[in-house]
Amino acid sequence: AQRVTQPEKLLSVFKGAPVELKCNYSYSGSPELFWYVQYSRQRLQLLLRHISRESIKGFTADLNKGETSFHLKKPFAQEEDSAMYYCASSGSARQLTFGSGTQLTVLP
Amino acid sequence: EADIYQTPRYLVIGTGKKITLECSQTMGHDKMYWYQQDPGMELHLIHYSYGVNSTEKGDLSSESTVSRIRTEHFPLTLESARPSHTSQYLCASSAQGTDEQYFGPGTRLTVT
Repeated sequence: AQRVTQPEKLLSVFKGAPVELKCNYSYSGSPELFWYVQYSRQRLQLLLRHISRESIKGFTADLNKGETSFHLKKPFAQEEDSAMYYCASSGSARQLTFGSGTQLTVLP
Repeated sequence: EADIYQTPRYLVIGTGKKITLECSQTMGHDKMYWYQQDPGMELHLIHYSYGVNSTEKGDLSSESTVSRIRTEHFPLTLESARPSHTSQYLCASSAQGTDEQYFGPGTRLTVT
């Protein structure tokens, strides 16, 4: 079965520091990878997906097929980035498998 | 405005009661999904539908049932609620040709 692993349940960084949220997937084919974010008291929303190769709110994510990773990065974290982040992968069944999430806290 | 709606947002109900969680979308999407999520944990797919009169069970076994009589409506029913059903239920939809999903605000269910 397809698996998505986010090894850090909690991550704290100081404002202005770089942040990296790790994600590894197990699908051996060509998955579509996503990062979703859930801010406090808001619904889960798409942050970015690998096929668009764009930067959203300063975040980028690069698909590394050799390491089967899709880590989310931002060079300078802001307090408003504090949220729950979920990595998700779609495989042959064209359904999303989610990781367990990483709670990011950006300290002032 | 195109959106996904879930009602109720919060529900506290006693054991044995029958409940229906509503999900409607005005996105024009064919595909709809139900996920179960415990606090701080991953989302688990419990049901999905690729169109009217099409429903399938997801990866997580669930005692709930769903129906898809109209494209925009995908209700989830529990015939007899139990405390083990206490969780958050998220509805999502996506368009044909993409795996990108849009989520509703969720229903937080507590069964006492």
